[in-house]
Amino acid sequence: DQQVKQNSPSLSVQEGRISILNCDYTNSMFDYFLWYKKYPAEGPTFLISISSIKDKNEDGRFTVFLNKSAKHLSLHIVPSQPGDSAVYFCAARVETSYDKVIFGPGTSLSVIP
Amino acid sequence: DAGITQSPRHKVTETGTPVTLRCHQTENHRYMYWYRQDPGHGLRLIHYSYGVKDTDKGEVSDGYSVSRSKTEDFLLTLESATSSQTSVYFCAIRDRVNTEAFFGQGTRLTVV
Repeated sequence: DQQVKQNSPSLSVQEGRISILNCDYTNSMFDYFLWYKKYPAEGPTFLISISSIKDKNEDGRFTVFLNKSAKHLSLHIVPSQPGDSAVYFCAARVETSYDKVIFGPGTSLSVIP
Repeated sequence: DAGITQSPRHKVTETGTPVTLRCHQTENHRYMYWYRQDPGHGLRLIHYSYGVKDTDKGEVSDGYSVSRSKTEDFLLTLESATSSQTSVYFCAIRDRVNTEAFFGQGTRLTVV
């Protein structure tokens, strides 16, 4: 069973509008959540993160919201730009001495000019 | 950019042959990870290392082994490659202080 779920395989948004990517998790031991962005033929790159003790983190056009009671987080991109078209992975860290990081299956975002 | 290099970048091999993928870092980061990326599954953790000679299994470790004899190198071995191991493999490194991981460019492995 996947511990980190991204139930929308793909999402299309008009340029300038808001993109909302969702992520759900099942493991209560996750203490840190991250979003990565991946372009074709490249490795994923870190985008933004949030600690489990917070409910919001903002960095420019990107905001991540965390709802611990619902085990749900979302990434908001405002305004969306064509260069944002990529696959977005949600990831979660289990705080142990081994620091395991688990990824979701990804959501492919297309921003239409 | 973080100093992380994967080799080879592309490889085609035959079923039943052994294959070793190499991840090399110049950042002296403690943690190293091997993931595979497949359509519909995203990035799945194969094995990870939390120090020299310290490794542990991830979600999809069957058929894979790893070794880390030096801080900078993390090797992933497919003892006897199967077609189900055709995938794109990513290595990642992470420093405990900075919780984000840095990824290599990936290795595209095809088992025929």
